[in-house]
Amino acid sequence: AQRVTQPEKLLSVFKGAPVELKCNYSYSGSPELFWYVQYSRQRLQLLLRHISRESIKGFTADLNKGETSFHLKKPFAQEEDSAMYYCALSGGNAGNMLTFGGGTRLMVKP
Amino acid sequence: GAVVSQHPSWVICKSGTSVKIECRSLDFQATTMFWYRQFPKQSLMLMATSNEGSKATYEQGVEKDKFLINHASLTLSTLTVTSAHPEDSSFYICSGASGRHEQYFGPGTRLTVT
Repeated sequence: AQRVTQPEKLLSVFKGAPVELKCNYSYSGSPELFWYVQYSRQRLQLLLRHISRESIKGFTADLNKGETSFHLKKPFAQEEDSAMYYCALSGGNAGNMLTFGGGTRLMVKP
Repeated sequence: GAVVSQHPSWVICKSGTSVKIECRSLDFQATTMFWYRQFPKQSLMLMATSNEGSKATYEQGVEKDKFLINHASLTLSTLTVTSAHPEDSSFYICSGASGRHEQYFGPGTRLTVT
């Protein structure tokens, strides 16, 4: 069975501080990992996916298969980064079906 | 990016009645559509997956006779909550995907059953 765990429900940092949102997964095959973001009163949208290996809005995430982690990082948080962040996993045999983690609310204080 | 719409955005219905929620892909053909349920301050829980022209696949614990899903075309899927009860009150979100590309999410529909 596939599972995604985000251990922190809430993460509060000051503007300009580094931020790391943790995500761990369990999956027997080769998963595809994603980070989705939901800003206040907006729909869920894709932030980044591990196969793209790109930086979006200053965020990066590296897939660590040894630790089964896909933590989201940003060196300098901005107030506009405040949102709900969801880590999600897609297994090869399940098509593009996603399993979501519980989500982490990031609050960036001025 | 691709756009998915949902209608209505908010619906209030009386207990025992049925309510239909529409999910449309506006500028792409969604071969697969997904329906999620989200309780306050909780994550999205997948309810069912539907492929155009075939029966939906429901997740464990989701009553298929209560949550009727129809995916009649590549741009439209509907979720009908039958004989709604207050415990069905929730935020329902759909998403569409074309092939193995990413999912695009709708804005969600808030259902309140009184």
